[in-house]
Amino acid sequence: DVKVTQSSRYLVKRTGEKVFLECVQDMDHENMFWYRQDPGLGLRLIYFSYDVKMKEKGDIPEGYSVSREKKERFSLILESASTNQTSMYLCASSSNGVAEKLFFGSGTQLSVL
Amino acid sequence: GENVEQHPSTLSVQEGDSAVIKCTYSDSASNYFPWYKQELGKRPQLIIDIRSNVGEKKDQRIAVTLNKTAKHFSLHITETQPEDSAVYFCAAPGQNFVFGPGTRLSVLP
Repeated sequence: DVKVTQSSRYLVKRTGEKVFLECVQDMDHENMFWYRQDPGLGLRLIYFSYDVKMKEKGDIPEGYSVSREKKERFSLILESASTNQTSMYLCASSSNGVAEKLFFGSGTQLSVL
Repeated sequence: GENVEQHPSTLSVQEGDSAVIKCTYSDSASNYFPWYKQELGKRPQLIIDIRSNVGEKKDQRIAVTLNKTAKHFSLHITETQPEDSAVYFCAAPGQNFVFGPGTRLSVLP
């Protein structure tokens, strides 16, 4: 079974801090995604990557960056955390192609105070 | 970019009744249409998907129907049970894997 692991389940940070959210998958998937989930707004795509060192902006990339140095790891970086970035962050991966099943991590609930 | 809408946003049904959730999308190039279920406090999981070369797919109590001309597809759940209570998301993946805003289904005992 595919395993997508997010490093933290809950995280509390201060405004202005640099925050790293880590995601690791164990199925050699080419594609990895970062979403944020807010009540009533569904799953909104922040960034995605189809290959190592490759990244593409999603619908809401402002205030975020990503890093994919190794195939199995996709990191989301909040350069200077703000209170409006308080949210549930979900990582996902899939095998090659857009028409493939996404496997999600269990999520990181980030609170920025 | 792709625009995906779902209706209704909330749905309450009596146990044993059927539930239908509709998803509309804008990108006519979409050819893969999945439905994900997210139970409270858990991660979204794929429950059924359909590709554009078929009009309907069934898996036990759940089914998905696709109308590519009208750009919508629907999730059908028959004989609903309390464990079907969850938020359901559709997606119409194009270049970005874009999800709808979700439908909260409550199955009342």
